[in-house]
Amino acid sequence: SYVLSQPPSVSVAPGETARIPCGGDNIATKSVHWYQQRPGQAPVLVIFYDSDRPSGIPGRFSGSNSDNTATLTISGVEAGDEADYFCQVWETTTDHHVVFGGGTKLTVL
Amino acid sequence: QVQLVESGGGLVKPGGSLRLSCEASGFTFSEYYMIWIRQAPGKGPEWVAYISGSAKSKYYADPVRGRSSISRDNAENLLYLDINSLRPEDTALYYCARVKHGSGSYLGHWGQGTLVTVSS
Repeated sequence: SYVLSQPPSVSVAPGETARIPCGGDNIATKSVHWYQQRPGQAPVLVIFYDSDRPSGIPGRFSGSNSDNTATLTISGVEAGDEADYFCQVWETTTDHHVVFGGGTKLTVL
Repeated sequence: QVQLVESGGGLVKPGGSLRLSCEASGFTFSEYYMIWIRQAPGKGPEWVAYISGSAKSKYYADPVRGRSSISRDNAENLLYLDINSLRPEDTALYYCARVKHGSGSYLGHWGQGTLVTVSS
């Protein structure tokens, strides 16, 4: 089954750039999507198809996907960005159709 | 705007059954795949089951296959999940979400979830 690996936590100071990796075998061949989940709230899509932003998501959020790592980048981090972030792919070659990474807790120092 | 409202959760004894519902509005329900996702306390999301717009295709994750059934009523804009033989490990917040289906599908909109607790 396909596995997505994320570090449990990333910490950055306000105004700095946070980079959250999502590792997977040849992940560059897949479309990667990212969700933000603030405490007590439902997940919200922040990046789809590797680097597209839904309407309403600030331009500070961007994504990339290359080789074996997809990356969510948040520029000019704000206190309100503190949340869990999950990457996701839709895997159709196995029974595990929807695969989520384990999630990364972004802490704003 | 897109709204998804889940209901039907609660406290259930092991071995019991539950029907979860998701009421959709703000979009043409029948045109979208829909999915149930669950999230155990302190854990990441886990897909449970999803269904095509016409209900002709249904898929289940291994942990619930054989003891759950996903269905929909396109006339009433309702999505359902029936789970039986509930186990403590089924305890989770259950979300319904709208799927943007295609090459590399994603979950564009999520409800707020309904809590299922399986305990004696």
